[in-house]
Amino acid sequence: GQQLNQSPQSMFIQEGEDVSMNCTSSSIFNTWLWYKQEPGEGPVLLIALYKAGELTSNGRLTAQFGITRKDSFLNISASIPSDVGIYFCAGSLDPRPYGGATNKLIFGTGTLLAVQP
Amino acid sequence: DAGVIQSPRHEVTEMGQEVTLRCKPISGHDYLFWYRQTMMRGLELLIYFNNNVPIDDSGMPEDRFSAKMPNASFSTLKIQPSEPRDSAVYFCASSTSRWARKFGELFFGEGSRLTVL
Repeated sequence: GQQLNQSPQSMFIQEGEDVSMNCTSSSIFNTWLWYKQEPGEGPVLLIALYKAGELTSNGRLTAQFGITRKDSFLNISASIPSDVGIYFCAGSLDPRPYGGATNKLIFGTGTLLAVQP
Repeated sequence: DAGVIQSPRHEVTEMGQEVTLRCKPISGHDYLFWYRQTMMRGLELLIYFNNNVPIDDSGMPEDRFSAKMPNASFSTLKIQPSEPRDSAVYFCASSTSRWARKFGELFFGEGSRLTVL
């Protein structure tokens, strides 16, 4: 199925470093979301963005909804060992109130983050 | 509040056997999703329901896969007959449309890891 392109594919960093990752699409979305998945668990929602240009923070995490609506960025400041996991972006297109088409939710390919203490 | 509950957590079966995965969504959520996760293909949407009605099943691989949602608190994903290439982690997720933008804010279960020998 369709997937969003995430980069980088993986990152191996030292504790305390800042992290940046991004997600791009050929389609526009009206919602961008970022999830984190830890080993043996399901993805957990970190941040949801609803407006082009929107910048939202959740603790040390900051995400932005690209102006073109075709991309999104996630930054993690001062990384710690528990930040380890796979980070997924997801794009959602809710056609309502226009009706007709069904909702779409597409996940990115994921960025594996490893943090060395 | 209880999250999304999936069973079994692990299933090992032989090729040709029938597999049934179960999901209980979060109470009050009106969307239910089935995803499959593999290293090669990432997170793939198989099917999703709204108010117990299948909306988009275009991700279901083939006729061997079927999903049902007989009521708002229960869904099954069945594979019959199973094949080794079906080995994956299957996730169930739910969300609410109470606020239109929340469609993409999924709550995932812990997943069912299927191994077909």
